Amino acid sequence: QKEVEQNSGPLSVPEGAIASLNCTYSDRGSQSFFWYRQYSGKSPELIMSIYSNGDKEDGRFTAQLNKASQYVSLLIRDSQPSDSATYLCAVIGSGGSYIPTFGRGTSLIVHP
Amino acid sequence: DVKVTQSSRYLVKRTGEKVFLECVQDMDHENMFWYRQDPGLGLRLIYFSYDVKMKEKGDIPEGYSVSREKKERFSLILESASTNQTSMYLCASSSGRRGNYNEQFFGPGTRLTVL
Repeated sequence: QKEVEQNSGPLSVPEGAIASLNCTYSDRGSQSFFWYRQYSGKSPELIMSIYSNGDKEDGRFTAQLNKASQYVSLLIRDSQPSDSATYLCAVIGSGGSYIPTFGRGTSLIVHP
Repeated sequence: DVKVTQSSRYLVKRTGEKVFLECVQDMDHENMFWYRQDPGLGLRLIYFSYDVKMKEKGDIPEGYSVSREKKERFSLILESASTNQTSMYLCASSSGRRGNYNEQFFGPGTRLTVL
């Protein structure tokens, strides 16, 4: 059973701070990693994809992947109240699958 | 721009009714998915399809069926709705082409209430 684990939170950070969200996965051969943002009552929105070890930056978002330690993280710099949402980690494992396994999400609260 | 649409944002049905949820994508994606999302349980895969007229069961297919007659359209059917099927239903699609990284894109969701 492939597993993706996230701390449910809530993670509370002050406006302007760096929010750090973490995700671990069980399938060592996993190939593709995604972060989705989901506002309350809305559907998940893809914000970052990462496929190789290291960092990938997009605006205020940085995804970090460490396959040896089997974790992927999302950093949000200069956090804004509008970043308050649930962040879902999704992983596509080995074996040619195209179906992601989703974590249950971390709730982020950015307070003014 | 990538787009997945769902036929209804909110739906209220009675126990025993047959319910149709429709999903359309305009990205020429091969793969389409139906999930339900409930508080504390996360996203759970109901059915998926990797080609027209092809379907595969996900983790919780009981009480549901699907239809994919055209590449862009994937329908979820509740044969006889029950109160425990009250949930948020999410459709997603992804490209199945070789070398693609299979990013999933979601529709806006349908919040179904069964009374």
